[in-house]
Amino acid sequence: DIVMTQSPDSLAVSLGERATINCKSSQNVLNSSNNKKYLAWYQQKPGQPPKVLIYWASTRESGVPDRFSGSGSGTEFTLTISSLQAEDVAVYYCQQYYTTPVTFGQGTKLEIK
Amino acid sequence: QVQVVQSGAEVKKIGASVKVSCKASGYTFTSYDINWVRQAAGQGLEWMGWMNPSSGYTGYAQKFQGRITMTRDTSISTAYLELSSLTSEDTAIYYCARGEGWFGPWGQGTLVTVSS
Repeated sequence: DIVMTQSPDSLAVSLGERATINCKSSQNVLNSSNNKKYLAWYQQKPGQPPKVLIYWASTRESGVPDRFSGSGSGTEFTLTISSLQAEDVAVYYCQQYYTTPVTFGQGTKLEIK
Repeated sequence: QVQVVQSGAEVKKIGASVKVSCKASGYTFTSYDINWVRQAAGQGLEWMGWMNPSSGYTGYAQKFQGRITMTRDTSISTAYLELSSLTSEDTAIYYCARGEGWFGPWGQGTLVTVSS
């Protein structure tokens, strides 16, 4: 199984500042035949199901604010929130869908400093 | 709008089975896979398996092999997850989610509580 490891486990950032969450996969999730990275990011607020923010490592889901962006290589990925808003307080998960079993990172809890 | 809506909370005894439903609307049910993911209280996300509603073909995480069954009724655009031989460690929120790679939308979740 591909192990997804996020860092940090928790993060406190001031309103308006940048937040960066990292995700590392134990195996490459880049498909060289189509040059796509099989990596998604989710946001989960308390009492709610997860919501997809980013897929193919850097494609923003429709309706997701452009302050959210994703980047990365075949094994190391980053979710960046360029200017933190109060409504961004949540737990963020990365997910690989390169192969089954689909696996998630352990989550990063983002709070306001 | 595209959505999946799950059945309500369940309380089960140890050793029993539970069946959770997931009704799709706003899109063609047979055009997208349905995945099931669970989340224990305060914990992360655990993928359980997927089903192709068109063919009925399924794929399960090895951890659940032998006690998990995913089915569907295309006439009512509904997918089902059945988990048997429940233990206290199966107490969790169970989510269905549409998708063949990334998942979205997700159902609201079904709390399954297993107690003695």
